[in-house]
Amino acid sequence: SQTIHQWPATLVQPVGSPLSLECTVEGTSNPNLYWYRQAAGRGLQLLFYSVGIGQISSEVPQNLSASRPQDRQFILSSKKLLLSDSGFYLCAWSSPQDSPEKLFFGSGTQLSVL
Amino acid sequence: AQTVTQSQPEMSVQEAETVTLSCTYDTSESDYYLFWYKQPPSRQMILVIRQEAYKQQNATENRFSVNFQKAAKSFSLKISDSQLGDAAMYFCAYRRRDLIFGKGTKLSVKP
Repeated sequence: SQTIHQWPATLVQPVGSPLSLECTVEGTSNPNLYWYRQAAGRGLQLLFYSVGIGQISSEVPQNLSASRPQDRQFILSSKKLLLSDSGFYLCAWSSPQDSPEKLFFGSGTQLSVL
Repeated sequence: AQTVTQSQPEMSVQEAETVTLSCTYDTSESDYYLFWYKQPPSRQMILVIRQEAYKQQNATENRFSVNFQKAAKSFSLKISDSQLGDAAMYFCAYRRRDLIFGKGTKLSVKP
C-alpha cells in the first residue's frame, strides 16, 4: 500500500535561517506531488506541485522553493526564512491514473519562525 | 477565479444526531470535482467524500453524504449518527486543475 512520510513534525527556526522540509512517497511510481501551507485559522494554500522529476510549478511567488530530485521525493526549501513563513506545511500525493485525483496528505510540519 | 466559501466557522452536534456543514463555490466551469476533507487534531488531512460535477446523484460514504446543487453551486456535507471521532475541522474543496480549499468548519461533538 502507498504511504507518505513527511518530516520533521515540528520545527522552530530563527528569521533568516534556511529551511528544508522533506517528503517521500512509498508504494507508487510517478506520483503527482504537492506542497500546501495552512496558516492559522485558514484553509490550505497550494504552494508547489510537481508532475515529474525536475518539474515544479509554483502557485504563489515567495521566498520558498521546491525540488524533486527523485521520483518519490519532494523537498521544500528556503534560503532565508521570514516571520510570515510560519504555518503548517502539508505534503500530498495523487495518482495521475486516478480520476478524479484524490489527494493523500502527509502528517504535516508545524513551522514556527521566531 | 474559483472560490470556496464555508460560512460556518464552528458547528456543534450531539452524539448520534445529524449535522449538515455548508459549502458554496464560485466557478464558470461545468466540469469539476468537489471534495470534503477532515482534519482531526492530528492535523493530517483525510478525504471524506468526493463528487463529480457531471453526476447528478449525490455521493455517499457510510454515514457521510452530500447534497450537491450544481445550479446553486452548493455542496453541503451531512453527517448522520455523529460520533465523538467525527470532531475535527472539515474543509470543502473544489478541483478543476488545482485543489482550492475553503477556510474550514470546526465541528464539535457533544457526548
